[in-house]
Amino acid sequence: EAGVAQSPRYKIIEKRQSVAFWCNPISGHATLYWYQQILGQGPKLLIQFQNNGVVDDSQLPKDRFSAERLKGVDSTLKIQPAKLEDSAVYLCASSLADVSSGNTIYFGEGSWLTVV
Amino acid sequence: RKEVEQDPGPFNVPEGATVAFNCTYSNSASQSFFWYRQDCRKEPKLLMSVYSSGNEDGRFTAQLNRASQYISLLIRDSKLSDSATYLCVVILAHISGNTPLVFGKGTRLSVIA
Repeated sequence: EAGVAQSPRYKIIEKRQSVAFWCNPISGHATLYWYQQILGQGPKLLIQFQNNGVVDDSQLPKDRFSAERLKGVDSTLKIQPAKLEDSAVYLCASSLADVSSGNTIYFGEGSWLTVV
Repeated sequence: RKEVEQDPGPFNVPEGATVAFNCTYSNSASQSFFWYRQDCRKEPKLLMSVYSSGNEDGRFTAQLNRASQYISLLIRDSKLSDSATYLCVVILAHISGNTPLVFGKGTRLSVIA
């Protein structure tokens, strides 16, 4: 079974530039998550989708971050303009349904962002 | 107080040693608990769920103490391949009905030959 696919794997941009990350979840998974993991810290949830609807975006810095999952499958996460503190790994994850129902969450390999 | 707290380590132990990691969580209404493993420059992967009755998977034992809001992971007979960061993960109960996964910062383990 194919896992969660993410691209690009690595990106270096200058501050104030924009960047977009793409995620293709495991087939059939209704729930999709974007996490931010800064070096030395645990992943922090940015946004959670259930199909194409947003369930939780309370920790998404909406002045610069946006995410969409228009058809309920693939998702993109955009940062514009980027700041130095946005340097992190952006992990996409998916699960069949909400994890509170006992579903396991599967992570992609992540997109590594360095803002210089 | 952080929602999920772990000792960041690193724990440097010889092969064959027994090592224990601890984790505390602040929300008494937390529902579910897990340990994830994250290798260097890789994504987190589920190691095991943690149940009130405790659970064991080979050399790994996880325990939950709801009264003390404390979770532990014990690794017996450590192998070089156990070297990784171990993330404590809690599902919080949300008033809105959403139940996000909350990760600790992780505890780094290095098993030395």
